[in-house]
Amino acid sequence: GENVEQHPSTLSVQEGDSAVIKCTYSDSASNYFPWYKQELGKRPQLIIDIRSNVGEKKDQRIAVTLNKTAKHFSLHITETQPEDSAVYFCAASPIRTGTASKLTFGTGTRLQVTL
Amino acid sequence: SAVISQKPSRDICQRGTSLTIQCQVDSQVTMMFWYRQQPGQSLTLIATANQGSEATYESGFVIDKFPISRPNLTFSTLTVSNMSPEDSSIYLCSVSRQGNTDTQYFGPGTRLTVL
Repeated sequence: GENVEQHPSTLSVQEGDSAVIKCTYSDSASNYFPWYKQELGKRPQLIIDIRSNVGEKKDQRIAVTLNKTAKHFSLHITETQPEDSAVYFCAASPIRTGTASKLTFGTGTRLQVTL
Repeated sequence: SAVISQKPSRDICQRGTSLTIQCQVDSQVTMMFWYRQQPGQSLTLIATANQGSEATYESGFVIDKFPISRPNLTFSTLTVSNMSPEDSSIYLCSVSRQGNTDTQYFGPGTRLTVL
């Protein structure tokens, strides 16, 4: 089965700096890679996702890059703000026609944005 | 995204008892999943709830311990049976919308404490 590794486990940045979280996966059949943000006591919220036919995707201050050859993908947050402080999870799954994918999650990165 | 609710939001239970968690969605969805998130940990898929048939369980999870029902396209239940303190976790349902079978959205979770 799929195995997803995520680094770093904790990350502290100053407000306005950039943050980068990296994930690697093992199953070459994986072709869907979402990122979730989980604030304390809240549900995981999808913030961005990428599919294997795309190398990079941006949404305002958030971007995700994918390198299928190396089997790794990364989350980039620019101009960080205190409200970006949360735990971020990457995930990977194959997309199969007609059924929803089973997500395998990374271990999470606790991001702390300091003033 | 769909509006997803879970009941109860939290509960404290005695060892040896069972608890049934409900997941309700405001619109029909293709797939429903149940995850466990142990304190400070990542999300682990328990099973896929199949409408009108038996759930599909992941390695390490069995039907006798986690029976699941899905009577229609908007509702599912997960029962945690014969509970022990090790079952103390957050239990989350997630759904995948029709026509977008890869994106998953999470319910608010049920925080279970077993004494």
